[in-house]
Amino acid sequence: DQQVKQNSPSLSVQEGRISILNCDYTNSMFDYFLWYKKYPAEGPTFLISISSIKDKNEDGRFTVFLNKSAKHLSLHIVPSQPGDSAVYFCAARGGATNKLIFGTGTLLAVQP
Amino acid sequence: DGGITQSPKYLFRKEGQNVTLSCEQNLNHDAMYWYRQDPGQGLRLIYYSQIVNDFQKGDIAEGYSVSREKKESFPLTVTSAQKNPTAFYLCASSIAGAPYNEQFFGPGTRLTVL
Repeated sequence: DQQVKQNSPSLSVQEGRISILNCDYTNSMFDYFLWYKKYPAEGPTFLISISSIKDKNEDGRFTVFLNKSAKHLSLHIVPSQPGDSAVYFCAARGGATNKLIFGTGTLLAVQP
Repeated sequence: DGGITQSPKYLFRKEGQNVTLSCEQNLNHDAMYWYRQDPGQGLRLIYYSQIVNDFQKGDIAEGYSVSREKKESFPLTVTSAQKNPTAFYLCASSIAGAPYNEQFFGPGTRLTVL
């Protein structure tokens, strides 16, 4: 049973426009959510996170929104740049062990 | 220069052989993790360790073994019991016990079993 879902396997956006990546989760006990960016044959790099007590967190061009009632979070990238082209994973944490549950990823392609 | 190193980057083994993947970190993190990534799938947790000399099974531990004799090191052995060992393996570490901490990942090892 997939507890963290990224239903869009891919997304294509024009340079300069907004990219919106979505993530849904099923477990209401998750208390911390993260977004990672991954290039092929490399390890994921941490991008931005949000705790369940907030509904928005912003860092430069990246903003994460959390809607707890809908069990939905999204990552907004504005403006999108070609270097943002990568696979984006959302992850959720629940419990004291700091274990993360990852979604299946969304491949973002930013067209010049 | 702190970080996580995994070696080798590419590894080829014959079917039926055990193979050990290395993971070292100098971030002074207590917790370390091993994940596996397959095409079209997210990262799946194999094993994790919150402290030296202790580790727990993740979601897909069958066919794998680990040790945590030193804080800096968390090697993963892929045994011949693992049915589909060809995959991209990622090691990560994090601070343990703090409420909100991200995991830092190494560059990964691509294992191909021939």
